[in-house]
Amino acid sequence: NAGVTQTPKFQVLKTGQSMTLQCAQDMNHEYMSWYRQDPGMGLRLIHYSVGAGITDQGEVPNGYNVSRSTTEDFPLRLLSAAPSQTSVYFCASSFRDSNYNEQFFGPGTRLTVL
Amino acid sequence: GENVEQHPSTLSVQEGDSAVIKCTYSDSASNYFPWYKQELGKGPQLIIDIRSNVGEKKDQRIAVTLNKTAKHFSLHITETQPEDSAVYFCAAMETSYDKVIFGPGTSLSVIP
Repeated sequence: NAGVTQTPKFQVLKTGQSMTLQCAQDMNHEYMSWYRQDPGMGLRLIHYSVGAGITDQGEVPNGYNVSRSTTEDFPLRLLSAAPSQTSVYFCASSFRDSNYNEQFFGPGTRLTVL
Repeated sequence: GENVEQHPSTLSVQEGDSAVIKCTYSDSASNYFPWYKQELGKGPQLIIDIRSNVGEKKDQRIAVTLNKTAKHFSLHITETQPEDSAVYFCAAMETSYDKVIFGPGTSLSVIP
């Protein structure tokens, strides 16, 4: 199993550009989520999904869109990048089981918006 | 919504000493409390978790305690080693809501 994969590893954007961060998992997990990590702020939940076709907002959803057309993939779209979106982005996945909730994280995407 | 606070933000200990990280949460409905370790340049990885029907859980040198009444939970690492140096995150979740909310993290340095 590859686990949770994210592409790209690094990205530099100019203000106003759009891009999609890719996330895929091969563990048949129902639950997938996106976090951003900023110094001193921990991991803040952007959007999450409990299954194909279902998405919901987290703590900091503004400026980001998601979709979940398959169980495996959960892309994060930045429609018009802003310097405030400079961050490290992590995708995570887990089973939806009340007895087993471990989230598996990808290696992260470091995004810089100039 | 849930809010998780974590202290201290940085912690330095001598190798062999113990380290304690404390967290508080706000939503009394939260029932699952994981701890994650993040090494430099990597994604976080689960090291231990506890559910609200348990007061304490141990796994070798790591233990977690939960006080539901006070809404506190803590991570205890004994006999620390240099490889324990990392950033540690606590989190809280109400399992039917599917949202995991993280604390701001603690940077632990173990000095050889």
